[in-house]
Amino acid sequence: GAVVSQHPSRVICKSGTSVKIECRSLDFQATTMFWYRQFPKQSLMLMATSNEGSKATYEQGVEKDKFLINHASLTLSTLTVTSAHPEDSSFYICSARDTAGGTEAFFGQGTRLTVV
Amino acid sequence: KQEVTQIPAALSVPEGENLVLNCSFTDSAIYNLQWFRQDPGKGLTSLLLIQSSQREQTSGRLNASLDKSSGRSTLYIAASQPGDSATYLCAVPKSSGDKLTFGTGTRLAVRP
Repeated sequence: GAVVSQHPSRVICKSGTSVKIECRSLDFQATTMFWYRQFPKQSLMLMATSNEGSKATYEQGVEKDKFLINHASLTLSTLTVTSAHPEDSSFYICSARDTAGGTEAFFGQGTRLTVV
Repeated sequence: KQEVTQIPAALSVPEGENLVLNCSFTDSAIYNLQWFRQDPGKGLTSLLLIQSSQREQTSGRLNASLDKSSGRSTLYIAASQPGDSATYLCAVPKSSGDKLTFGTGTRLAVRP
């Protein structure tokens, strides 16, 4: 199947700093990528839909100024958690589908963010 | 609003058993249904994808069925192994390229 690479896999940052997470589709192009968040022992909740060349679409309750999304190319989307706080500690996962066709969603390895 | 529920929430079985995981969704207007596996602290691995027009899909010891009209899907795992221990998630999009709505997950433990 197609490969989605997410980096870093783990990050620890101090409260008040910003963290950038990258999501890359390695062998396909993705016009749209999705960013999910997962709390311990819970399922994935969609945060936002990242659209190449345009603004991201955020789900209700997700602060767009806190979770900055940039999708500057067909293979890369980034999520920046700005002014991180301990409550932002979570597992963040990105997903992408092949723009050329195919309905299967492929996921990155996830990023474990810990804010201290 | 689509809601996806999985039963049971947790399951512990001895090695070798056949087992069934259940997934139900409230809105039958789905494009497809996908089953994933998630190991602790890891991302998701796609197991099976069933198009809305299909009834089932098989891959090795896994078989997934879909009854769209009743809003149900099952994942059948044959001859379970300790390596099957993980959380299993089902997810549905409303249309092609749409976001996925995930189920609550089933945590499976297969005892040697």
